[in-house]
Amino acid sequence: AQSVTQLGSHVSVSEGALVLLRCNYSSSVPPYLFWYVQYPNQGLQLLLKYTTGATLVKGINGFEAEFKKSETSFHLTKPSAHMSDAAEYFCAVSRRAGANSKLTFGKGITLSVRP
Amino acid sequence: GAGVSQSPSNKVTEKGKDVELRCDPISGHTALYWYRQSLGQGLEFLIYFQGNSAPDKSGLPSDRFSAERTGGSVSTLTIQRTQQEDSAVYLCASSGGANEKLFFGSGTQLSVL
Repeated sequence: AQSVTQLGSHVSVSEGALVLLRCNYSSSVPPYLFWYVQYPNQGLQLLLKYTTGATLVKGINGFEAEFKKSETSFHLTKPSAHMSDAAEYFCAVSRRAGANSKLTFGKGITLSVRP
Repeated sequence: GAGVSQSPSNKVTEKGKDVELRCDPISGHTALYWYRQSLGQGLEFLIYFQGNSAPDKSGLPSDRFSAERTGGSVSTLTIQRTQQEDSAVYLCASSGGANEKLFFGSGTQLSVL
């Protein structure tokens, strides 16, 4: 079974500050890891994903995440927050192999950006 | 259409009534998911269809919930004898295959009075 833990439900940062959204996963097999974002009144869209290869992955809008197997983590970062980054962010995990590779999401974190 | 289409966008029903929610995935996508999004609960997995394989129904919360996918395309999620706790946004997503990027619909906001 797979699961995702996103500690806390809300993060608030100042514009220009570092954004760090934490994600820890549990998986009995090598995982695929994802971050999705949901902007206000919009559907979810993929920010970035890790499958194999380089453990630091870059996504849209300046976000990146690093897969750390030893820590079972896939934290999302952005060096400098922008007002337009205010949204809800979901971390997700799926199995790397096998037909049953459903995506399991965390509970999400709401990011607020203060001017 | 170009994206995942869900209908209706909003549904208000009375407790005890049955409802049907529809999802039109992106043409050619073999994988289709249903999720439920409740305030503070994140995205709760309901059911997953992948090609011709048997669907993964492990997330359906009770036997009042069922879903089918006809002809490998359109899917219908049915909730029988709705309860107030069924009120949520029901999201459909599709992808080109296992572990591929998911494209989400805008969801159906279900309100059970």
